[in-house]
Amino acid sequence: AQSVTQLDSQVPVFEEAPVELRCNYSSSVSVYLFWYVQYPNQGLQLLLKYLSGSTLVKGINGFEAEFNKSQTSFHLRKPSVHISDTAEYFCAVSPSPQGGSEKLVFGKGTKLTVNP
Amino acid sequence: NAGVMQNPRHLVRRRGQEARLRCSPMKGHSHVYWYRQLPEEGLKFMVYLQKENIIDESGMPKERFSAEFPKEGPSILRIQQVVRGDSAAYFCASSPNIGGGNTIYFGEGSWLTVV
Repeated sequence: AQSVTQLDSQVPVFEEAPVELRCNYSSSVSVYLFWYVQYPNQGLQLLLKYLSGSTLVKGINGFEAEFNKSQTSFHLRKPSVHISDTAEYFCAVSPSPQGGSEKLVFGKGTKLTVNP
Repeated sequence: NAGVMQNPRHLVRRRGQEARLRCSPMKGHSHVYWYRQLPEEGLKFMVYLQKENIIDESGMPKERFSAEFPKEGPSILRIQQVVRGDSAAYFCASSPNIGGGNTIYFGEGSWLTVV
């Protein structure tokens, strides 16, 4: 079975500061990794995903994430945040990369609050 | 190209009533997933369906919950005899096919409140 741990439930930062949201996973097989963002009372929107290849993945809204296989981590970063980045961020893994379904296992989420 | 459509967005039910949540996948998508988000929790997988088939229901509670995706019409998540613990946001997602890390697209959710 796969599991995802998001180490920080809440991250407050000031506008234009850099931010890192941490995500670790456990799995006995290779996985695909995803970050989703959820704005209040809305569905989830894909920020970025890692399937293979370069370990540094760039996504939408200036976010990027780095896959570290030895540390089983997939931390999300942004060099300068905006007020509009205030949302909840979810890390997820897909436990069936070779077929089956796209069933995702999610972490509990990190609430990012960007203050002026 | 409309996204994943869910309705109702908000539903209030008294204990013991039935709740029906509907999901229309994105055009061209034949795979539907239902997830549940409890307060202060991440999303938990419930069920994966293709047209007329339940492929994986490993996340569905054993009783009171059922899902279908008929040949025509939306996917339905049905909760019978609701209890307060069923209060949650229910998200539907769809994908065009499987394998290879396809992106799955989420709807905006249906918020169920049981009073």
